[in-house]
Amino acid sequence: AQSVTQLGSHVSVSEGALVLLRCNYSSSVPPYLFWYVQYPNQGLQLLLKYTTGATLVKGINGFEAEFKKSETSFHLTKPSAHMSDAAEYFCAVRSLRNRDDKIIFGKGTRLHILP
Amino acid sequence: KAGVTQTPRYLIKTRGQQVTLSCSPISGHRSVSWYQQTPGQGLQFLFEYFSETQRNKGNFPGRFSGRQFSNSRSEMNVSTLELGDSALYLCASSSGLAGGLGETQYFGPGTRLLVL
Repeated sequence: AQSVTQLGSHVSVSEGALVLLRCNYSSSVPPYLFWYVQYPNQGLQLLLKYTTGATLVKGINGFEAEFKKSETSFHLTKPSAHMSDAAEYFCAVRSLRNRDDKIIFGKGTRLHILP
Repeated sequence: KAGVTQTPRYLIKTRGQQVTLSCSPISGHRSVSWYQQTPGQGLQFLFEYFSETQRNKGNFPGRFSGRQFSNSRSEMNVSTLELGDSALYLCASSSGLAGGLGETQYFGPGTRLLVL
């Protein structure tokens, strides 16, 4: 069965510092991996996704993530945090082992930006 | 293109009542998924509909049900409301199965349900 683990329900970084949000997945077959962001009182918005090909994926707002099969990880990074990055971030996985598979979301990591 | 719309945005109900939430997907999208979001449990999958057929269902009691119409609009219904049903209910649409082949889901703003 698929699963997603996001380490740290809350992460605080200073403005201008590196952002690192961790995501580990479990999947018996190569997965599709996603990062979504949720701003207050809004729905989720896709940041980036890995399907096939290049393992380093670039997304919107300066975020990127690297798919590491050996570590079963898909950590999200941004070189320099901005106050507007304060939001909740969700990692998600889906594999297509069979037609009944569904997308699985992690529990989310709330990112706080310190001035 | 218009985004995913959900109505109503806010709702207050009392225990024992029932509620129907509506979701209009992006034009051309055939998949609609529903999620319940609470501070304690996070984002939990309710069900997914594709071309009027329920394709997947999460671990929720039978009080939670849904349907999809021929125009891809979807409704979810919760009967005999309980206090624990208070949550943000999110709807998401995609052109293919959610996440399948890397499909992006587009989320609506949600319906915030408060059960008193």
